[in-house]
Amino acid sequence: AQTVTQSQPEMSVQEAETVTLSCTYDTSENNYYLFWYKQPPSRQMILVIRQEAYKQQNATENRFSVNFQKAAKSFSLKISDSQLGDTAMYFCAFKAAGNKLTFGGGTRVLVKP
Amino acid sequence: GAGVSQSPSNKVTEKGKDVELRCDPISGHTALYWYRQSLGQGLEFLIYFQGNSAPDKSGLPSDRFSAERTGGSVSTLTIQRTQQEDSAVYLCASSLEAAPNYGYTFGSGTRLTVV
Repeated sequence: AQTVTQSQPEMSVQEAETVTLSCTYDTSENNYYLFWYKQPPSRQMILVIRQEAYKQQNATENRFSVNFQKAAKSFSLKISDSQLGDTAMYFCAFKAAGNKLTFGGGTRVLVKP
Repeated sequence: GAGVSQSPSNKVTEKGKDVELRCDPISGHTALYWYRQSLGQGLEFLIYFQGNSAPDKSGLPSDRFSAERTGGSVSTLTIQRTQQEDSAVYLCASSLEAAPNYGYTFGSGTRLTVV
């Protein structure tokens, strides 16, 4: 079974600064996918960024980027130039091919003006 | 439709009553998932439907919980004899299993409160 661990329950960051959220996972699979989802107070889960395990290059989406370390089974998210609208819960998720998404416990991010 | 639609958005029910939660996935998405999110917590997997295969019910917490998916589209999650610990947000998601790297599209959830 796969497990996903987010060790930071809550993080705060000043507007325009950078924050990094950690995520580690445990699996025996070699072919899998990793995701970060954002959940604002509206409850809607929004896909922020995705990474295929077979790709060595780290994914980037505008101000969001990941540091994927396959050997260490680590998948951290960096939010650059933080904006007030980034305030939300962030969930790391793992999916092996043909299987369901497994989520970490989440990290609450608060962006302060 | 354009997104995953869930109804009702909010539901308050008395302990012991049965409730039905509905999920309308994105047209053409073959996979449908139900998750439960208790206050301030992560997402707990409940059940997974994929095409015509038997559903993966391994996450259902008790036999009071059941789900069906009719015609490979709309799904209903039923909770019988509700208990206060059933209070949570129930999230539905759908995906195109032919493209697993695209993750899931979630609905806005149903907030269930058992009083």
